[in-house]
Amino acid sequence: KQEVTQIPAALSVPEGENLVLNCSFTDSAIYNLQWFRQDPGKGLTSLLLIQSSQREQTSGRLNASLDKSSGRSTLYIAASQPGDSATYLCAVLFPGTYKYIFGTGTRLKVLA
Amino acid sequence: GAVVSQHPSRVICKSGTSVKIECRSLDFQATTMFWYRQFPKQSLMLMATSNEGSKATYEQGVEKDKFLINHASLTLSTLTVTSAHPEDSSFYICSARDQQGLTNEKLFFGSGTQLSVL
Repeated sequence: KQEVTQIPAALSVPEGENLVLNCSFTDSAIYNLQWFRQDPGKGLTSLLLIQSSQREQTSGRLNASLDKSSGRSTLYIAASQPGDSATYLCAVLFPGTYKYIFGTGTRLKVLA
Repeated sequence: GAVVSQHPSRVICKSGTSVKIECRSLDFQATTMFWYRQFPKQSLMLMATSNEGSKATYEQGVEKDKFLINHASLTLSTLTVTSAHPEDSSFYICSARDQQGLTNEKLFFGSGTQLSVL
């Protein structure tokens, strides 16, 4: 069964800290992996997409890496700000079913 | 980036009524749309895959007669919760796959619909 897990489930950090969110998936054969942000009661906003052939993607203060062999991806947030407070979800597109499987999410709170 | 519009954003209805949720891709054609359900503090669970011009594919455990999906055009998919009951109260989110652009594997999400059944 294809599963996606995120650790930690919740994280609270002071403003300015660099932090890492983790995403693990059970099947190394993937099409791509996408990181999303979700604010309370809202839809999802795509942050970064990493194709299967790529090792990392960067956008501003965000950097996402992909290690297929170990079934892991990390989202690195530099110099965190209170506005970064949200739930972060990773989703993996697996071949065969061609459906995105979502992780359990990490609820981030950045304290001012 | 591509825009997906979802309406309504919030619905409160009486038990036994039916509720329709619309999902539109505003600036791209989406042959495939997805409907998700999310309970508080939980992740998204895929309910069904909606394909333009054909029947939707439902995930295991999702009642197709309860959650009617129609994808009549390349820009519109609808989810109708029939005879809604309190246990159907949840956050419903649609997404669409943009298969025309360079980011042809990317998912774009609507803003979600909070359904509360009294």
